[in-house]
Amino acid sequence: DAEITQSPRHKITETGRQVTLACHQTWNHNNMFWYRQDLGHGLRLIHYSYGVQDTNKGEVSDGYSVSRSNTEDLPLTLESAASSQTSVYFCASSGYTGELFFGEGSRLTVL
Amino acid sequence: QKEVEQDPGPLSVPEGAIVSLNCTYSNSAFQYFMWYRQYSRKGPELLMYTYSSGNKEDGRFTAQVDKSSKYISLFIRDSQPSDSATYLCAGGRTGFQKLVFGTGTRLLVSP
Repeated sequence: DAEITQSPRHKITETGRQVTLACHQTWNHNNMFWYRQDLGHGLRLIHYSYGVQDTNKGEVSDGYSVSRSNTEDLPLTLESAASSQTSVYFCASSGYTGELFFGEGSRLTVL
Repeated sequence: QKEVEQDPGPLSVPEGAIVSLNCTYSNSAFQYFMWYRQYSRKGPELLMYTYSSGNKEDGRFTAQVDKSSKYISLFIRDSQPSDSATYLCAGGRTGFQKLVFGTGTRLLVSP
């Protein structure tokens, strides 16, 4: 079955370190998204991509970057992790129906 | 003011009760409205979506949108313990892309 997988599922890092969260989908969807979920804020869009080589900033993009070199993957990079980036990160993808399919989430703690 | 407002709950009901979950939104350009269900430590999954105003029914679930009052509702009939989850409402201008999510309402259905 097609799916969307995130790794790592849990990560603890220190302030200032670079962190990359991986997202891989096997639906061949053109559209991919990264959200963060925090208590009191809900899901907020970080970056999104509508296809290979296409990336766009979302609502809370400062401190994050993405690159899209193929259809299946959209890695999210935190260049210099900050404590404010402690959160649960969700990757999602959508195809021609528009329905968002979410991964299981990556829980990041920045100490 | 957040574009989509939702009471975080928790909302506790006995099994078999009718549940009403509600959201308000402020962006008049929203045309698409969704309800996602999220179990603990899992990614959100699409429950229902509606376009513009009106009702949509699917089994025990009914989604209702009143654009005149900018009000979104989800009704669950004959609630079950398996319905215990967080319910996220969302709105968007262009289909499923770039959705704006509410903070989610946690629902607890006791046997």
